Amino acid sequence: KAGVTQTPRYLIKTRGQQVTLSCSPISGHRSVSWYQQTPGQGLQFLFEYFSETQRNKGNFPGRFSGRQFSNSRSEMNVSTLELGDSALYLCASRGSLVGETQYFGPGTRLLVL
Amino acid sequence: GENVEQHPSTLSVQEGDSAVIKCTYSDSASNYFPWYKQELGKRPQLIIDIRSNVGEKKDQRIAVTLNKTAKHFSLHITETQPEDSAVYFCAASRTGSQGNLIFGKGTKLSVKP
Repeated sequence: KAGVTQTPRYLIKTRGQQVTLSCSPISGHRSVSWYQQTPGQGLQFLFEYFSETQRNKGNFPGRFSGRQFSNSRSEMNVSTLELGDSALYLCASRGSLVGETQYFGPGTRLLVL
Repeated sequence: GENVEQHPSTLSVQEGDSAVIKCTYSDSASNYFPWYKQELGKRPQLIIDIRSNVGEKKDQRIAVTLNKTAKHFSLHITETQPEDSAVYFCAASRTGSQGNLIFGKGTKLSVKP
């Protein structure tokens, strides 16, 4: 099976702009989670989507949002970008059964200038 | 909410020695504890995981132990090799929220040949 893919891989934006990142999960996986990785804060959970519904949400401001489509592909959006939003954004997918492993994509590196 | 503490933040060992990384968690309802390895510029990859009904799990040179009473779990790597050099993350989650992993801050392991 193909792994989790993310597009774009690199992105440069300026403060105040908005950005949309995309994640395609492993075929058959219905759960997609998003994480922000920074040197200072490490890996932080943003949200999880399952069958087009947000199932869990981390402690991030409302500028961070996401959605999932019927084919399980997911997008996350960050509006009104701040310098502190510069990070590696990772998505991860997992199957529907309890205890299934979460597999990460390569990430999108976002730089906000 | 859940909080995961990971120690040490950096660890340097000689090739062939053992390495131990320890994590503590705060939420007694957490019952799934994966460990991820992240090489520079690459995605996190699951190396081993353990569930709360098991006290120890081994996979070749890697083992994880879990002490539910004390709320801590540890990663043990024996006969370390230079290719084990990477950042290792522990994480915790509870049933129904396994798409919501709470990560430790990571341990940078350096194995010197």
